[in-house]
Amino acid sequence: GAGVSQSPSNKVTEKGKDVELRCDPISGHTALYWYRQSLGQGLEFLIYFQGNSAPDKSGLPSDRFSAERTGGSVSTLTIQRTQQEDSAVYLCASSPPTGTETQYFGPGTRLLVL
Amino acid sequence: GESVGLHLPTLSVQEGDNSIINCAYSNSASDYFIWYKQESGKGPQFIIDIRSNMDKRQGQRVTVLLNKTVKHLSLQIAATQPGDSAVYFCAEGQAGTALIFGKGTTLSVSS
Repeated sequence: GAGVSQSPSNKVTEKGKDVELRCDPISGHTALYWYRQSLGQGLEFLIYFQGNSAPDKSGLPSDRFSAERTGGSVSTLTIQRTQQEDSAVYLCASSPPTGTETQYFGPGTRLLVL
Repeated sequence: GESVGLHLPTLSVQEGDNSIINCAYSNSASDYFIWYKQESGKGPQFIIDIRSNMDKRQGQRVTVLLNKTVKHLSLQIAATQPGDSAVYFCAEGQAGTALIFGKGTTLSVSS
C-alpha cells in the first residue's frame, strides 16, 4: 500500500517568509510525528499527534513553528518568518494504533532558507 | 537530557564481510529499540526492532542484540552488500512517545 507522503519534496524560500509543509500519513495510522534533520545529523523531534488527544509540542524550537492535523489524517507544519537556521530536512512519520511503536517515515521535505 | 549515541560515525567494510554497528543508550525506561537505514535523499527505513524483554532478534541478514546491563544495542549485518551502504540510526522509545535518535553511523561497503 501507499506509504507516508510529503510535499513539497523541496522548498527554497527567502528569510522572513512563511512556509507550509504537508504530510499524508499511511491510511489507518493514528499517530503522526514531525522530525527535523539537519545536514549530517540525527533526527530531532518536533511534534507528535495521537488520535484526538492534544498534541505533544515539546520539541518545537520556537513559537514560529506550529502544526495541525485535520480530520485525524493530513498534517501541516508551518514555519513563520523563516530563518536560515531553519534550513533542514523535515520528516514526517506515522504509526498504527496502540500496540506498536514502529514509525514509518516519508521521504522528507528539504527546506532551504536563503 | 536523555540521548542515544553511536560509538563510531563511520564504518568501512568489504563486500561479503559481516558488519557490526553499535549504539549506546541512556534512558533505562526505554522499552523499545529500532534500527533505521537512511539512504541519501530518502527518509529513514525501518530495519528491525527489539523490545526490552528480549536480548536478541533476527531478521533477514540482520540481527539486533540488546544488552540492558550496559545499555548497549548493536546491529549485525551478515554478508554485507554494496546496497547496504547508508547511514544507520538507532532509536529508543516507549509506547506513545516520540523516538529518540542517535546521530548515525555511515556504513560504506566497497566491492
